[in-house]
Amino acid sequence: EAQVTQNPRYLITVTGKKLTVTCSQNMNHEYMSWYRQDPGLGLRQIYYSMNVEVTDKGDVPEGYKVSRKEKRNFPLILESPSPNQTSLYFCASKQSSGANVLTFGAGSRLTVL
Amino acid sequence: GENVEQHPSTLSVQEGDSAVIKCTYSDSASNYFPWYKQELGKGPQLIIDIRSNVGEKKDQRIAVTLNKTAKHFSLHITETQPEDSAVYFCAAENQAGTALIFGKGTTLSVSS
Repeated sequence: EAQVTQNPRYLITVTGKKLTVTCSQNMNHEYMSWYRQDPGLGLRQIYYSMNVEVTDKGDVPEGYKVSRKEKRNFPLILESPSPNQTSLYFCASKQSSGANVLTFGAGSRLTVL
Repeated sequence: GENVEQHPSTLSVQEGDSAVIKCTYSDSASNYFPWYKQELGKGPQLIIDIRSNVGEKKDQRIAVTLNKTAKHFSLHITETQPEDSAVYFCAAENQAGTALIFGKGTTLSVSS
């Protein structure tokens, strides 16, 4: 089944403890992206990657890092999480930057205490 | 950059009624406008999309209309059913094709 897989789905952590949310897609998509969803704010893009080793900032990149060493994986790294990073995170992918249809993962709910 | 406004934020209808959600966008260079449905505990799923060379598109009970001159597009759901209850998001793709800019969402409740 074609899908975007995120892990963990739920995580509670404490301020300053580094964490990584993994994202993997099995559709051979070139483009991948991370969004965060907050009540009343909709979805906002954190980072995106147009291909392996090519990443760029979205609208809300502060406090996050990403890497794209392989085509299928696009992990989101929080080096020193803070409470304002408590959110619902979604990874998404599409065929290429020129293609349109974006497929989302099921989401990762992160709580930072 | 692109900005997308979505209204209403909540919408309650009776089963069988129609539901309409409206969005406006700011960047006239945007050419792709998808609608996503998000059910509780799940990621957004594409339900219909429209490109700027088309004014209207239908898929069974769902239709989307686009007015490029006025920079607004709308989602129409006819004969609503309880399973249509969800959060709906409109979006506009930026000119570079690197991001979808989302509206803040509409919570649709369909009561039987």
